[in-house]
Amino acid sequence: SQTIHQWPATLVQPVGSPLSLECTVEGTSNPNLYWYRQAAGRGLQLLFYSVGIGQISSEVPQNLSASRPQDRQFILSSKKLLLSDSGFYLCAWEGQTNYGYTFGSGTRLTVV
Amino acid sequence: KQEVTQIPAALSVPEGENLVLNCSFTDSAIYNLQWFRQDPGKGLTSLLLIQSSQREQTSGRLNASLDKSSGRSTLYIAASQPGDSATYLCAVTDSWGKLQFGAGTQVVVTP
Repeated sequence: SQTIHQWPATLVQPVGSPLSLECTVEGTSNPNLYWYRQAAGRGLQLLFYSVGIGQISSEVPQNLSASRPQDRQFILSSKKLLLSDSGFYLCAWEGQTNYGYTFGSGTRLTVV
Repeated sequence: KQEVTQIPAALSVPEGENLVLNCSFTDSAIYNLQWFRQDPGKGLTSLLLIQSSQREQTSGRLNASLDKSSGRSTLYIAASQPGDSATYLCAVTDSWGKLQFGAGTQVVVTP
């Protein structure tokens, strides 16, 4: 069966520090992968999506970047965190186009 | 641009009552609609997925309908239980293949 893993579950980082959040998918190949952010009291915002290795599309210009070094691995990064980067980050995959999304358990990031 | 709206924003019902959650979207050119549940501090759990060619989907006490032409979906939860307390999110896959979310309905079921 397909599973999606995200880590870490929680993270507290100082302003200006780097960030690396990792997401991996098991039990499927060539998934579409997505990074979403959920800020306090707001809806889910699509940040990046990837349809294959090395292929990244950015939805919102910001302080973050994404990479897909392997078929089932998706990484969200920042060189220098801002206070506004705080939020709940969710990774999702779509095995077959238009057949629904599966989400990871999320990473709670607090920038202090 | 696709906009997804969920009404009401919050709902409190006594245990045993049926829940009715509404979702509307502005562009009927969707591929599918998905209902999710989110518990506080947790990720999203998929409840039901309705393809654009379908009118409804059922899973246990849950039933979701889709009227694509009018841009509406309704999630029914029969005989609510305290364990149903959560935030319910509606999302559509739009014509660009992107998942667009509503802001959610926060549900509290009181014993």
